[in-house]
Amino acid sequence: AQSVTQPDIHITVSEGASLELRCNYSYGATPYLFWYVQSPGQGLQLLLKYFSGDTLVQGIKGFEAEFKRSQSSFNLRKPSVHWSDAAEYFCAVGGPPIKAAGNKLTFGGGTRVLVKP
Amino acid sequence: GAVVSQHPSWVICKSGTSVKIECRSLDFQATTMFWYRQFPKQSLMLMATSNEGSKATYEQGVEKDKFLINHASLTLSTLTVTSAHPEDSSFYICSASPSGSTDTQYFGPGTRLTVL
Repeated sequence: AQSVTQPDIHITVSEGASLELRCNYSYGATPYLFWYVQSPGQGLQLLLKYFSGDTLVQGIKGFEAEFKRSQSSFNLRKPSVHWSDAAEYFCAVGGPPIKAAGNKLTFGGGTRVLVKP
Repeated sequence: GAVVSQHPSWVICKSGTSVKIECRSLDFQATTMFWYRQFPKQSLMLMATSNEGSKATYEQGVEKDKFLINHASLTLSTLTVTSAHPEDSSFYICSASPSGSTDTQYFGPGTRLTVL
């Protein structure tokens, strides 16, 4: 069975400081990995995804993530956070899409990011 | 691109009534749509996978007779919560995978259901 662990429930960071959100996954084959952000009153927005190739993935809003197979991790980073980055972040894992079933995702518990001025 | 809408955004209903939630892909066709449930300050739990023109596939523990899913077209899936009870109060979120790119899901803004 696939699973995702986000060890940090809350993270508080000062505006302008760097941010790293941890994600560890369990998956029996090559994982498809995603990071989504959920802002209050808004739907989940895809930040970035990794399927194969370069293990350092660039996403939107200045975010990047690094896939480390040996550590079963897919941590999300941003060099300098902005107040607008305050939100809930979810890591998710799935497998290759199955034609009729799409790509079923398992989500981590989420990490809430608070940004101090 | 890849916009998914949900309607209504919030709904309050009386116990015992049924509520229908719509999920639409606005600028792409979606062979597959997914329905999730999210409790306060918790993660998303997959309820079912909806495929256009066929029966939905429900996750273990989800009552298919209570949560009726219909995916009648490539841009619309509906979730009907039948005989709603207060414990059904939750945030329901749908997602859709473009027919030509089924490896990624795009999410709707969610529907807040409160059952009195």
